[in-house]
Amino acid sequence: EPEVTQTPSHQVTQMGQEVILRCVPISNHLYFYWYRQILGQKVEFLVSFYNNEISEKSEIFDDQFSVERPDGSNFTLKIRSTKLEDSAMYFCASSESQLSSGNTIYFGEGSWLTVV
Amino acid sequence: DQQVKQNSPSLSVQEGRISILNCDYTNSMFDYFLWYKKYPAEGPTFLISISSIKDKNEDGRFTVFLNKSAKHLSLHIVPSQPGDSAVYFCAATISNFGNEKLTFGTGTRLTIIP
Repeated sequence: EPEVTQTPSHQVTQMGQEVILRCVPISNHLYFYWYRQILGQKVEFLVSFYNNEISEKSEIFDDQFSVERPDGSNFTLKIRSTKLEDSAMYFCASSESQLSSGNTIYFGEGSWLTVV
Repeated sequence: DQQVKQNSPSLSVQEGRISILNCDYTNSMFDYFLWYKKYPAEGPTFLISISSIKDKNEDGRFTVFLNKSAKHLSLHIVPSQPGDSAVYFCAATISNFGNEKLTFGTGTRLTIIP
């Protein structure tokens, strides 16, 4: 079964450093997302991306965050200057089309980011 | 602003019995609902979904019920198996031609007792 793959699985970084989390969505999917889950809390939406531009972003997704689809397969999340509160599991996700048509959003295994 | 709530943080059920997980929502604009299962250090795995035009959807051992007037949905797992032990999240969205963000609940940790 096709899957969303993410790298790295775990990254430790110093506060203030830049981090890039990488994702390869499912190949025929058109909609891409980043979510995150702080330890013990719920999964939260960060950003959605379609047709090479951001469709929607949450209040969490401030100027320190950016997303990019540099080629036909990768989808990246960059945190420019990490803060301690950015420590979380970051999930990439993708979907083929409208959910109510019977599709769903598929999630990757996650990238665990620890900011020290 | 908790638009999707799962009021039971944990639930223990005997193997073979029915597991019932509940979810409430406050945003009446939500029209599509999903249940995900999550193991530690893994991504959420899709289980089953339901559109607001239906009140029930069944897939094997999993059935989701939607009560729009009460803004409540539930996931029934029968019979429960040890491999069902995980955290279950309900999620809701507003249909938007493919660009739908999910709003998740806080999750319920289900433990199946052998």
